[in-house]
Amino acid sequence: AQSVSQHNHHVILSEAASLELGCNYSYGGTVNLFWYVQYPGQHLQLLLKYFSGDPLVKGIKGFEAEFIKSKFSFNLRKPSVQWSDTAEYFCAVIGYNQAGTALIFGKGTTLSVSS
Amino acid sequence: EAGVVQSPRYKIIEKKQPVAFWCNPISGHNTLYWYLQNLGQGPELLIRYENEEAVDDSQLPKDRFSAERLKGVDSTLKIQPAELGDSAVYLCASSGTDNTGELFFGEGSRLTVL
Repeated sequence: AQSVSQHNHHVILSEAASLELGCNYSYGGTVNLFWYVQYPGQHLQLLLKYFSGDPLVKGIKGFEAEFIKSKFSFNLRKPSVQWSDTAEYFCAVIGYNQAGTALIFGKGTTLSVSS
Repeated sequence: EAGVVQSPRYKIIEKKQPVAFWCNPISGHNTLYWYLQNLGQGPELLIRYENEEAVDDSQLPKDRFSAERLKGVDSTLKIQPAELGDSAVYLCASSGTDNTGELFFGEGSRLTVL
């Protein structure tokens, strides 16, 4: 069965610090990978996604993620965080072109950025 | 383009009372999902619809939960009777026909059972 593991439950950073949130998945085949973000009081929204091609994908607000197939990982990074990045971040996976399944989410990482 | 609309945003009920949540997906999205999000956890799938057909309800606790999507557009999720452990956020999402898995979420309905 597919599963997603996010290693950090709560990360606290100061503004301008660099960010890396870990995500590992368990699935035997080709996957589509996502990072969603939930800002306080708002709905879950897509941050970035990987389907195929360049394993380094760029998303909104300066975020990027790197797919490393050999490590089953899809870590999220940002070189310099801002106070407005305070949010909850979810990694999610689905088997490639799996019309019969749905996204599987990790438990999430809460990021707190102090100004 | 309007997003996924859910109501109510917040609901507080006594245990053993019934409750219902409504969702209207993005226009043209045939696939609709209900997810459950407990505090400190990621969303977990309850049920998935393709048009009006429930194609995956394996995680829906059928003794007290029910859902419907009669005309293949909006959907209702019901709990009867509610238990204390049902306190959570109920998320509705929809997706298009590209089979990428990308979901578009509503703002969620936060349920508190007292």
